[in-house]
Amino acid sequence: GNSVTQMEGPVTLSEEAFLTINCTYTATGYPSLFWYVQYPGEGLQLLLKATKADDKGSNKGFEATYRKETTSFHLEKGSVQVSDSAVYFCALSPGGGADGLTFGKGTHLIIQP
Amino acid sequence: GAVVSQHPSRVICKSGTSVKIECRSLDFQATTMFWYRQFPKQSLMLMATSNEGSKATYEQGVEKDKFLINHASLTLSTLTVTSAHPEDSSFYICSARPRLAVNQETQYFGPGTRLLVL
Repeated sequence: GNSVTQMEGPVTLSEEAFLTINCTYTATGYPSLFWYVQYPGEGLQLLLKATKADDKGSNKGFEATYRKETTSFHLEKGSVQVSDSAVYFCALSPGGGADGLTFGKGTHLIIQP
Repeated sequence: GAVVSQHPSRVICKSGTSVKIECRSLDFQATTMFWYRQFPKQSLMLMATSNEGSKATYEQGVEKDKFLINHASLTLSTLTVTSAHPEDSSFYICSARPRLAVNQETQYFGPGTRLLVL
């Protein structure tokens, strides 16, 4: 079956530090890959996505590249801000995207000023 | 942007009672809604997929008679936890796919409902 593994948190960084949150997946076929972010008290919001190998998703300074050879979709940001503090979920959708999502456990990111 | 609401946000009930959770798409019509369950420090687990006007499709291991899903309109889906027990205590999250979404992978998530069964 499908599965997503992401690094355990919490991850605590200082403002302007470089961020990497690792995510690897197991899936049959050609899944689409996503990063969702959840701010306190709010629902999950799509941060970025990639639908095929070597695609790079980007949004709000965050980037992730779909690496089929390593089955990875690591999230990166060059300089984090306090406002980036949230829980980040890596997820996949089976080919076609019509199904529900398979999520990782989430990584709690804490940015200190 | 598209907004999905859930009601209630938090509920406490006694063991053996039934609890209904509503999921509404506030400014768009949703042909498909998904229900997820999240345990502490665990990932969201897909429970079922509901399409407006048809029976829900449940994931393996999810009891359809215990978790009743109704998707009676394009803006409302309900999840009823019947005869709730303490092990049903969890965080329940819904998501909705817009009827007019350009991309079939688009889903908007509700803020979740915390259920505590005593």
